[in-house]
Amino acid sequence: DAGVTQSPTHLIKTRGQQVTLRCSPKSGHDTVSWYQQALGQGPQFIFQYYEEEERQRGNFPDRFSGHQFPNYSSELNVNALLLGDSALYLCASSMVGQGVGNEQFFGPGTRLTVL
Amino acid sequence: DAKTTQPPSMDCAEGRAANLPCNHSTISGNEYVYWYRQIHSQGPQYIIHGLKNNETNEMASLIITEDRKSSTLILPHATLRDTAVYYCIVRVASGSGNTGKLIFGQGTTLQVKP
Repeated sequence: DAGVTQSPTHLIKTRGQQVTLRCSPKSGHDTVSWYQQALGQGPQFIFQYYEEEERQRGNFPDRFSGHQFPNYSSELNVNALLLGDSALYLCASSMVGQGVGNEQFFGPGTRLTVL
Repeated sequence: DAKTTQPPSMDCAEGRAANLPCNHSTISGNEYVYWYRQIHSQGPQYIIHGLKNNETNEMASLIITEDRKSSTLILPHATLRDTAVYYCIVRVASGSGNTGKLIFGQGTTLQVKP
């Protein structure tokens, strides 16, 4: 049973560029959440997708956008990259409707470096 | 979501029990206590969760005080591979419009020493 997968593992971009990160959820999961983790900090919630729609959003600017596909996989897009966007981007999947047992399973993350 | 307070770091000898405390004095009645850990450069890993009763699984035990204002995660026989950052999180159950998002604090860095 494949867990959560993310691609690419590492990425280097320059300021002003755009980036797309990808996530495939754990088998049987239908919800994908994205988190940003700066060096030395805990992960920060960006947004969550369910049924191909954004359900909730954290305190992130509109430069951060996402998409969920019919197969439940998801993309995170960041436009006009800033140096401060350098971070580990984590994808977590879960299944709506499992109630309290709905723990999130995390992927290994994509390390984004903005120069 | 209620906030949690954890010590920034702890040491534990290999083979001994590691007891990681967490304060969540503002926890609401419908909020659960979750524990995750993050080994260096990996994604967070779910460990255990509970509401008010003590819980145990193959990884750890969770002891929640009767007033639910604090809890302790216990790793009964710590190994070097348990060295990680441990996060205590309180949140409502997902469903009924709640997304179950996780709000991470700084966590406790547990160093298991030989």
